[in-house]
Amino acid sequence: AQSVTQPDIHITVSEGASLELRCNYSYGATPYLFWYVQSPGQGLQLLLKYFSGDTLVQGIKGFEAEFKRSQSSFNLRKPSVHWSDAAEYFCAVGPNNAGKSTFGDGTTLTVKP
Amino acid sequence: GAGVSQTPSNKVTEKGKYVELRCDPISGHTALYWYRQSLGQGPEFLIYFQGTGAADDSGLPNDRFFAVRPEGSVSTLKIQRTERGDSAVYLCASSLTGTGDTEAFFGQGTRLTVV
Repeated sequence: AQSVTQPDIHITVSEGASLELRCNYSYGATPYLFWYVQSPGQGLQLLLKYFSGDTLVQGIKGFEAEFKRSQSSFNLRKPSVHWSDAAEYFCAVGPNNAGKSTFGDGTTLTVKP
Repeated sequence: GAGVSQTPSNKVTEKGKYVELRCDPISGHTALYWYRQSLGQGPEFLIYFQGTGAADDSGLPNDRFFAVRPEGSVSTLKIQRTERGDSAVYLCASSLTGTGDTEAFFGQGTRLTVV
């Protein structure tokens, strides 16, 4: 069975600091990996996805993620966090299907001024 | 429309009642998905439609839950004999084809509260 673990329930960083959100997955085949952001009152928005190819993936809003097959990880990073990045972030894994994914339980990001 | 639209945005119902939740996907998207998100958890897959047919309903928790998409566009999630444990945000998403390098776009959800 596929699963996603986001070890950090809540992370607080200062504005301008770097950010790394962890994601570990379990999947029996070649995984398709996603990071989504959910702001209060907003729908889930796709930040980036990995299907194949270069293991360092660039996304929107300055985010990137690196797929490490040996570690079963797909960590999300941003070099300098902005106050508007405060939100909940979800990692997801799935088959070759855009929307049929297994999600982690999310990491809530708080940004200190 | 410009995005995935879900109605109502909020629904309060009494235990045992029947509810319907509606999803209007992005025009032209053939794939449609329903998820359920309980408090403090990530979205949980319920069902996936390709066109009019349910291609994968493995996530529906029991036979009280049913979804239709009769014309391959709008979808309705139906819950019979609601229970307090059904309280959650129900999310709908659509994508152009459902496979390959396409993106799923999510609606803002319907918050269902069963009292």
